[in-house]
Amino acid sequence: QVQLVQSGAEVKKPGASVKVSCKASGYTFTSYYMHWVRQAPGQGLEWMGIINPSGGSTSYAQKFQGRVTMTRDTSTSTVYMELSSLRSEDTAVYYCARGRHLDLWGRGTLVTVSS
Amino acid sequence: QSVLTQPPSVSAAPGQKVTISCSGSSSNIGNNYVSWYQQLPGTAPKLLIYDNNKRPSGIPDRFSGSKSGTSATLGITGLQTGDEADYYCGTWDSSLSARVFGGGTKLTVL
Repeated sequence: QVQLVQSGAEVKKPGASVKVSCKASGYTFTSYYMHWVRQAPGQGLEWMGIINPSGGSTSYAQKFQGRVTMTRDTSTSTVYMELSSLRSEDTAVYYCARGRHLDLWGRGTLVTVSS
Repeated sequence: QSVLTQPPSVSAAPGQKVTISCSGSSSNIGNNYVSWYQQLPGTAPKLLIYDNNKRPSGIPDRFSGSKSGTSATLGITGLQTGDEADYYCGTWDSSLSARVFGGGTKLTVL
């Protein structure tokens, strides 16, 4: 079926990096852009950026420029989001979401940053 | 501070109607399509409305969307206890070159 399956929860120390994966299935991977959105505990949705799985081009929110890298692997229909120089404020659930309307979401990956 | 402004909470009785507002500016709502998302407790957001007023397949017609100028509204009729959730509006902001969301509105069905 059409779905986005994300990698499991991560616990990282401040200053480390985390790489979250999002595997698409049930549709043509390269036909839809993919967004990354995060949600801190008890907070709202925050857009991080977007990747075009077809050509690999990316656009990042200014807040994350220099710290985030989005990549894709067309052979496995997977997109990745890597966030570096982690701090406690990066503790959040990270979601991938498909297309112009964000019409399909992964279940989320909890990233906890704690010393 | 969110780019789009939503009321933090709304409430209504079962069977009643509720509206949730989303206010923005000419760089976002005023010149771009609006989407609405429902987030049930402990789950990922789900698309409810796209392109201001279109419903994806499977979304009941109790949910409706509208847009006027730099504001958008989500309407829900025939409220059910299962509608208790957080609701977010979202759109593209041409000045920021970024997707933006409202702060979210918690719906309580009393």
